[in-house]
Amino acid sequence: AQSVTQLDSHVSVSEGTPVLLRCNYSSSYSPSLFWYVQHPNKGLQLLLKYTSAATLVKGINGFEAEFKKSETSFHLTKPSAHMSDAAEYFCVVSAMNRDDKIIFGKGTRLHILP
Amino acid sequence: NAGVTQTPKFQVLKTGQSMTLQCAQDMNHNSMYWYRQDPGMGLRLIYYSASEGTTDKGEVPNGYNVSRLNKREFSLRLESAAPSQTSVYFCASTTGQGNNEQFFGPGTRLTVL
Repeated sequence: AQSVTQLDSHVSVSEGTPVLLRCNYSSSYSPSLFWYVQHPNKGLQLLLKYTSAATLVKGINGFEAEFKKSETSFHLTKPSAHMSDAAEYFCVVSAMNRDDKIIFGKGTRLHILP
Repeated sequence: NAGVTQTPKFQVLKTGQSMTLQCAQDMNHNSMYWYRQDPGMGLRLIYYSASEGTTDKGEVPNGYNVSRLNKREFSLRLESAAPSQTSVYFCASTTGQGNNEQFFGPGTRLTVL
C-alpha cells in the first residue's frame, strides 16, 4: 500500500526567510517521489522528482528536497522565499515501474508575508 | 507542442444533464489519467488508462465513464450530473514505462446546479 501525508495544510513565511514544507510517505514498493506546484487557477507543474539516484534533489525556482529513507520523508525546502512562491504544493508518491500507483498528498498552501 | 489540452475550460450543468470532458496530448505518452480536485482533498484519481484500449478505475470512479479513443485522446463522461460532481477536473499523461512524471492539462471547472 502507498500513502502520503503532508503535515501542514497551510504554511506562512515572510519574504526572504526559509521555506519548509513537510511530506512523509509509506510505500510497499521502491518509491518515486515528486513535488508539484499549483498557482491559483492554474494546472500543476513539476518542481522536482526523486527516482533512486541522488538523495538530495534540486528543482526549479531554487527549491530542493531530500529523500530520507530512514525517516520516510521528502521535505521541500527553499533558502529564501519570494512572493511568487505563494501557491499550493503537492507531494506525490508513486511506485517505480507502476503507473497505476500514483498517490497525491492533500496539499500545503504556502503564504508569503511581505 | 501543446502538451496536454482540455476542453472546455468552464462548464455549468443542471442536475441530470450529461456532458463529456475532452483531453488530448501530443507527447506520444502511453498513460493518461483523470483527476478531480476539491478543496482540502488534493487530487483524487477517477480513472486511468495505461495504454490505448485499456482503462481502469481509480479512487472515485462512481458517476463517471471514460473512453481511450486512441493514443492521444482520453475523454471523461458524466451521464447524469449531480451537485457532488462540482469540482475542477484535471487530465494528465505520462510516458509510462516506469516514468511516473505527470504532465497536466489546465483543468476544467465544472459546476452542477
